Amino acid sequence: GQNIDQPTEMTATEGAIVQINCTYQTSGFNGLFWYQQHAGEAPTFLSYNVLDGLEEKGRFSSFLSRSKGYSYLLLKELQMKDSASYLCALTNMVTGGGNKLTFGTGTQLKVEL
Amino acid sequence: EAQVTQNPRYLITVTGKKLTVTCSQNMNHEYMSWYRQDPGLGLRQIYYSMNVEVTDKGDVPEGYKVSRKEKRNFPLILESPSPNQTSLYFCASSFWGATEAFFGQGTRLTVV
Repeated sequence: GQNIDQPTEMTATEGAIVQINCTYQTSGFNGLFWYQQHAGEAPTFLSYNVLDGLEEKGRFSSFLSRSKGYSYLLLKELQMKDSASYLCALTNMVTGGGNKLTFGTGTQLKVEL
Repeated sequence: EAQVTQNPRYLITVTGKKLTVTCSQNMNHEYMSWYRQDPGLGLRQIYYSMNVEVTDKGDVPEGYKVSRKEKRNFPLILESPSPNQTSLYFCASSFWGATEAFFGQGTRLTVV
């Protein structure tokens, strides 16, 4: 099976940097995704890591260590619109036809002035 | 515009009354799936389809049916809805392989 852990809530200040951690246990690891979800809306893709290291994409970066079962999402220059839930998700080539996403419960980020 | 379209967005129904939630994508994706999202439980996969006429159960399939007669459409059917199926439902699609999934706008279902 798969198990994914993320903090439930975080609070940060506008303009600051925040790191959202995700730890996981899985077999048949294929890749790790981060999605952003505003309340009541659809999740939208942020980043994808399949190899160890850092992937940078504008204000957002994501890091993966497969040996440690650990990933983080780094958000820089926080804006009020970044207040949302951030979902860590794994894919596994063994189950679900290979495309199945198994999600963590999400980290609710609140950005304050 | 590339998109996944779900209908309806909101639905209130009574226990036992069959309903269908439609999902359509215009990106020629092979893989489609349905998720439900409940507080504290996150998104959980209900059913998925790897291509036309190929469907399989996800993690929480009980009480649901799906079909994939055409590549673009993947309806979710609740033959006899019950209150524990009250939830927020999302359809998603992607190309084959571990690629970005595109989600529909969601359907908020209440069964009374």
